[in-house]
Amino acid sequence: EVQLVQSGAEVKKPGESLKVSCKGSGYSFPNYWIDWVRQMPGKGLEWMGTIYPGDSETRYSPSFQGQVTMSADKSISTAYLAWSSLKASDTAMYYCARRRQQWLETPFDIWGQGTTVTVSS
Amino acid sequence: QSALTQPASVSGSPGQSITISCTGTSSDVGGYNYVSWYQQHPGKAPKLMIYDVSNRPSGVSNRFSGSKSGNTASLTISGLQAEDEADYYCSSYANSGTLEVFGGGTKLTVL
Repeated sequence: EVQLVQSGAEVKKPGESLKVSCKGSGYSFPNYWIDWVRQMPGKGLEWMGTIYPGDSETRYSPSFQGQVTMSADKSISTAYLAWSSLKASDTAMYYCARRRQQWLETPFDIWGQGTTVTVSS
Repeated sequence: QSALTQPASVSGSPGQSITISCTGTSSDVGGYNYVSWYQQHPGKAPKLMIYDVSNRPSGVSNRFSGSKSGNTASLTISGLQAEDEADYYCSSYANSGTLEVFGGGTKLTVL
């Protein structure tokens, strides 16, 4: 079964760092782009960026460039989304999602279950 | 890059058909046949329902269909069922700034 399994919920304080993970299984992880999507409480989906695990090429949304860092370790089929200094406004659900084909002009066919990040003092 | 424009809500009775619109620009919806639609039930991850404007993934009911005219894409759900009640999001590949842009989402209520 093709699936993405994300790390568990996080509760952090403003200014702390955080890295959440997304582990793929059931397919050739290095060969498919993995994207990250933010959903703030009660709001819609926002595209954050994408990474190609095969060579760690990344593309960021201008809205998130410099705010987060995407990385991947293809040896353990895992992608990561990291913050160096969290803000209260980072409180949201974060989804990872796989692109259906091995190029960018394709939809997200597999989604992780989501990781809830809560940032509060 | 602004989000694609969707109606905030639509509703219909069981058995009826509804259509959700998704309006973008020539830099996204109008420029490519790479529009997708996702269904999201409360507390769940989104699910791909339509891709490349009008294609259905395996396992998705043929009650769901998609189309596009100019800068506006549409999702039609026929024979509404209670289980269709969910939020629906369109998305499109884009060529300026951001690679992908989502609509604001439409809440479908089955009366």
